[in-house]
Amino acid sequence: QVNLLQSGAALVKPGASVKLSCKASGYTFTDYYIHWVKQSHGKSLEWIGYINPNSGYTNYNEKFKSKATLTVDKSTNTAYMELSRLTSEDSATYYCTRDYPGPFAYWGQGTLVTVSS
Amino acid sequence: DIQMTQSPASLSASLEEIVTITCQASQDIGNWLSWYQQKPGKSPQLLIYGATSLADGVPSRFSGSRSGTQYSLKISRLQVEDIGIYYCLQAYSANTFGAGTKLELK
Repeated sequence: QVNLLQSGAALVKPGASVKLSCKASGYTFTDYYIHWVKQSHGKSLEWIGYINPNSGYTNYNEKFKSKATLTVDKSTNTAYMELSRLTSEDSATYYCTRDYPGPFAYWGQGTLVTVSS
Repeated sequence: DIQMTQSPASLSASLEEIVTITCQASQDIGNWLSWYQQKPGKSPQLLIYGATSLADGVPSRFSGSRSGTQYSLKISRLQVEDIGIYYCLQAYSANTFGAGTKLELK
């Protein structure tokens, strides 16, 4: 069965960076894009972007182009998202998710990022 | 950017009642509309994709429909386990979610 296992909660200082991981199992990793979604506390969902694990091609929401960097490691079936120059506005739960069948058909459990000094 | 206007923001309904949630797209998105359910502390779950297709394992009391650029999610007989927040998503261009509908029991 498809499973997306995300890294644990992170507490980071303002101005720092953090790298989140999403380990995929139960399917061929390179067959489907991995998307990342942000959910601020009590708020709706925002699409950050996606990466094609096969080619490394990325596509970002304009809002997150200077904030997020998506990468993959095909040897470990793991997708990563690095968030840079963190502020309190970046405190949120971040999800990785996979398409098919249907958009965002499978979701990781989410990673809570707290930005605080 | 494509805007998704979701309504109502909150909804209180009784067990076995019919519930309808709508999303209005700011432009034509074809059938690129999905619905998700999120329970407290959990990840969202896909319910409907392609405007009308039921995702695997989702109860048949959930259904989706489209009229032009207005999309609806219908729960035919509300059950306790249906309580949560519902979101629509347009995947036509640069994926955008609706603001969400909080569904509670009356």
